[in-house]
This record gives sequence, structure tokens and C-alpha cells, in this order.
Amino acid sequence: AQTVTQSQPEMSVQEAETVTLSCTYDTSESDYYLFWYKQPPSRQMILVIRQEAYKQQNATENRFSVNFQKAAKSFSLKISDSQLGDAAMYFCAYRGYGGATNKLIFGTGTLLAVQP
Amino acid sequence: DTGVSQDPRHKITKRGQNVTFRCDPISEHNRLYWYRQTLGQGPEFLTYFQNEAQLEKSRLLSDRFSAERPKGSFSTLEIQRTEQGDSAMYLCASSTNPGPNSPLHFGNGTRLTVT
Repeated sequence: AQTVTQSQPEMSVQEAETVTLSCTYDTSESDYYLFWYKQPPSRQMILVIRQEAYKQQNATENRFSVNFQKAAKSFSLKISDSQLGDAAMYFCAYRGYGGATNKLIFGTGTLLAVQP
Repeated sequence: DTGVSQDPRHKITKRGQNVTFRCDPISEHNRLYWYRQTLGQGPEFLTYFQNEAQLEKSRLLSDRFSAERPKGSFSTLEIQRTEQGDSAMYLCASSTNPGPNSPLHFGNGTRLTVT
């Protein structure tokens, strides 16, 4: 079974600084997708960024980028120029390629605080 | 695109009572997922529908839980004889075909408190 591990329960960053959130996963599949979702307090979860495992190039979305290391099964999220609105719970998630369900498997999350 | 809608936002019930939650997915989305999220944990998969067919149920979904999506549009999740351990946020998400690249769109969730 696939698992996702986020070893940092909480992180803090100063406004305008850069922070990296860690995620590791375990799978025997060769094709899959990885995601970072953001869940602000009392608000719905939204997709931040996604990475296809067959792509070597790391995904980037504006201030958000990932460091995808397939052999190490590592998928970290870098937030540059942090803003107060980035404060949220961040979840790393895995989604396999095979099967009908394609359900997301989430890690336990990292709570990010942004200090002004 | 009005987003995924869940009702109610909050539900407080006494142990032993039945509760039902509703999810209205984005209109053109034929895939619908239910997740449960407890404090300090990531969402855990409960069940999945493709159109009206329930294609997968987690072992977390005991026989007290039942989910339906009768016409392939909205879905309901019912918990019978609630227990204090059922207290959690219940999240609904929807997506389109095809494949795992299609992102899930989440609702705001229903927070259940069992007293």
C-alpha cells in the first residue's frame, strides 16, 4: 500500500523569506502523480501544485516549486517570497495511475505560520 | 462553476443518533469522493462514486456508514448510531475524467461533533 509521510508537523517563516516543506512517500508503482494541497483555516482545500512522476522537470507555479527526487521518493515544496496568505495547513498527496478510483492518499500535513 | 457545496457546515448530535450529510459536486464532474479528516491528520479516503456507481469503499467505512449518489449528481453520507469516534470533518471532493491528473475540487466540509 502507498503511504505519504510529512515529518514536519509545524513550520514557521518570515514574510518575504523562503521555506521548504518536506514529503516522502512509498510506492511500488512506477507511474503516479504527486500533489501539494493547501488548507487555510476554516476554508476549503485547494490545489497548489502537481507533478507527474514520469517528468524529470520539477513543476513550478509562480512562487511555488517542487523538488521531485523519484529515486529517493521525495517531493518537497518550496515557497518563495512568503506572504501572510500562505499561512495554512499543507498536505502532500499521492495518486496512483492504475485502477478505477484514483483516490488521493494524504500525508498528515504541515502547519505553516508566516510571521510579519 | 459554483464549486463543491456541502451541507450542513456543522452538525452536533448525541451519541446514538443518525446523521446525514449532503454533497453537491461541480455540475460536470462525474467522480465524487468522500474523505474524513480528524484533528491533526490528513484526509482519509472513505468512498468513491463514478456517476451513480459506488466503485470503492474503504475499510474505514463500517456498516454504520452508507453513501449514495442516486442520479449521479449529489451524494449523501449517512452515519447510523453515531459514536464519539465519528467526530471529524467530512470532506467531499469531485473531479472529471480522465485519469489521475484530474485535480480534486474539495468542498468546505461538514464538521460533525458527537456528544
